Amino acid sequence: DTGVSQDPRHKITKRGQNVTFRCDPISEHNRLYWYRQTLGQGPEFLTYFQNEAQLEKSRLLSDRFSAERPKGSFSTLEIQRTEQGDSAMYLCASSLAAAGEQYFGPGTRLTVT
Amino acid sequence: QQQVKQSPQSLIVQKGGISIINCAYENTAFDYFPWYQQFPGKGPALLIAIRPDVSEKKEGRFTISFNKSAKQFSLHIMDSQPGDSATYFCAASRDTGKLIFGQGTTLQVKP
Repeated sequence: DTGVSQDPRHKITKRGQNVTFRCDPISEHNRLYWYRQTLGQGPEFLTYFQNEAQLEKSRLLSDRFSAERPKGSFSTLEIQRTEQGDSAMYLCASSLAAAGEQYFGPGTRLTVT
Repeated sequence: QQQVKQSPQSLIVQKGGISIINCAYENTAFDYFPWYQQFPGKGPALLIAIRPDVSEKKEGRFTISFNKSAKQFSLHIMDSQPGDSATYFCAASRDTGKLIFGQGTTLQVKP
């Protein structure tokens, strides 16, 4: 069990560019969650998948954000036309649907200049 | 109704002392209450969690106390150590879905 992994760990981009992050969950976990955390705050829910189905999206997730989990394994989160307000830590977590315990990855730190 | 309120915002405790962090919620549909520990630059790590059918759960030096009628729960860290210095988050969820996090408590344990 290697835990949840995320790639890249850090991303610096210029305003207006598109970025894509990847999350690999714990292998047997069928639920995958994306959260965003800004400095000094708790993580905020963005979206989650059960297998390949996206079951819920937060109102925080504007039209510039899109997430996929095409084969029910890894997931990608894309941000189009990045803005300075998108600068944050993007966290991925996974769980078994019936269990509740969510295990987080190390996060991707995004800085938009 | 979706909020989870956490206090205090910061806490300083002497080594060997007891650290206590409190959380309150409003949504009575919440049925799972975890606590996470986060070090700078790292993702949150699950510490301990409780469901509303029990009033207390203990794992090592960490204890959750749960008061369903008051809609409050708390984390107690016994024999606090400098290595416990971190940010702690409470959270709540319904039907094993998304977590709603508190604002966090920064704990400093002085040697």
